[in-house]
Amino acid sequence: AQTVTQSQPEMSVQEAETVTLSCTYDTSESNYYLFWYKQPPSRQMILVIRQEAYKQQNATENRFSVNFQKAAKSFSLKISDSQLGDTAMYFCAFPSGGSQGNLIFGKGTKLSVKP
Amino acid sequence: EPEVTQTPSHQVTQMGQEVILRCVPISNHLYFYWYRQILGQKVEFLVSFYNNEISEKSEIFDDQFSVERPDGSNFTLKIRSTKLEDSAMYFCASSPLRVSNSPLHFGNGTRLTVT
Repeated sequence: AQTVTQSQPEMSVQEAETVTLSCTYDTSESNYYLFWYKQPPSRQMILVIRQEAYKQQNATENRFSVNFQKAAKSFSLKISDSQLGDTAMYFCAFPSGGSQGNLIFGKGTKLSVKP
Repeated sequence: EPEVTQTPSHQVTQMGQEVILRCVPISNHLYFYWYRQILGQKVEFLVSFYNNEISEKSEIFDDQFSVERPDGSNFTLKIRSTKLEDSAMYFCASSPLRVSNSPLHFGNGTRLTVT
């Protein structure tokens, strides 16, 4: 079965510091995308970053970057220069094998950025 | 930037009543989805819709649920006879391609409260 595991229910970081959120997954697929979504208190789901599994280069979006290790099935999110607006739930997600819509989400990590 | 729009933002209904949650996906997207998030829990897939038919559904999406795209813009989720356990945040999403190839764009959600 396809699974996504986020082992850190809660994390906190000081403003301007760097924090890494972990995610591991299990899939039998060879080509797929992986996603990190952010859910602020407003409850909206916002795409943070995505990684294509067949690309060795780690994806980067401004202050957000991933450390993707395909063999280990690990997909961590690094947030540099943390800002107060980064306070949110962060969900790791990937598509269930070959489907058209079944995106599997982890349980989420609640990140608090402290001033 | 185009957005997925959901209405209403909050719906309160009595147990046993029918509710219809409405969504306007991004206009050039072809794949449409409903997800739900029970408070404090992870986001769960309900159903995906493509080419005017359901392409995949989860175990949660039983006979009490139905989806429809009545015109070229709206995408609705109907719950025929609501139960207390249907109380959750319901997210509509759309994508231009299959989820294995493109991220989902989520709406702001409809908070459904069943009393």
